[in-house]
Amino acid sequence: GDSVTQMEGPVTLSEEAFLTINCTYTATGYPSLFWYVQYPGEGLQLLLKATKADDKGSNKGFEATYRKETTSFHLEKGSVQVSDSAVYFCARSPTGNQFYFGTGTSLTVIP
Amino acid sequence: DTGVSQNPRHKITKRGQNVTFRCDPISEHNRLYWYRQTLGQGPEFLTYFQNEAQLEKSRLLSDRFSAERPKGSFSTLEIQRTEQGDSAMYLCASSSERGTDTQYFGPGTRLTVL
Repeated sequence: GDSVTQMEGPVTLSEEAFLTINCTYTATGYPSLFWYVQYPGEGLQLLLKATKADDKGSNKGFEATYRKETTSFHLEKGSVQVSDSAVYFCARSPTGNQFYFGTGTSLTVIP
Repeated sequence: DTGVSQNPRHKITKRGQNVTFRCDPISEHNRLYWYRQTLGQGPEFLTYFQNEAQLEKSRLLSDRFSAERPKGSFSTLEIQRTEQGDSAMYLCASSSERGTDTQYFGPGTRLTVL
């Protein structure tokens, strides 16, 4: 069935390292794709989104490109900061009324 | 726009008690969603309203769970006869019918059942 699968964590990086968090989806049709971020003790915040194939979402130095051919929406950042430490969730828009989130990837950035 | 708000932020209850959580969505949003999130997991969809109509409730975890949105504005989620397994974060989100179904989340209500 339709779902979202993302890279398991936790991920630990040094400051200024390159980040990739993988996300793939299965879907009937062409969903919109999202990355949400959850900082410690806070709710989920929308980080970026893409609504159609080849779209690139970007925000706060993070980017993700909607790849229909590989059904992927990998999150990348060229140089992470300590303040990027959080849990990142990949998500897709609904089929019918069913909404899908990945299990989350915890990122810790050390100085 | 003050965002999605949820009350209470924390609830501690004894097993067997009933609890009710409230969600106030962004004012112009007509869609409202409830999710449950357990430690180390992503949000698990529970139910969904468009205005006052509950369009999906088959994912509610059991008949002890119910949700209402009587006037199409705020919503309540009730859990009757709570069990220790109900301990989790309960998240509310809202969205506009137009656009890409981008959901905006509240801070959540953390439930602890003793």
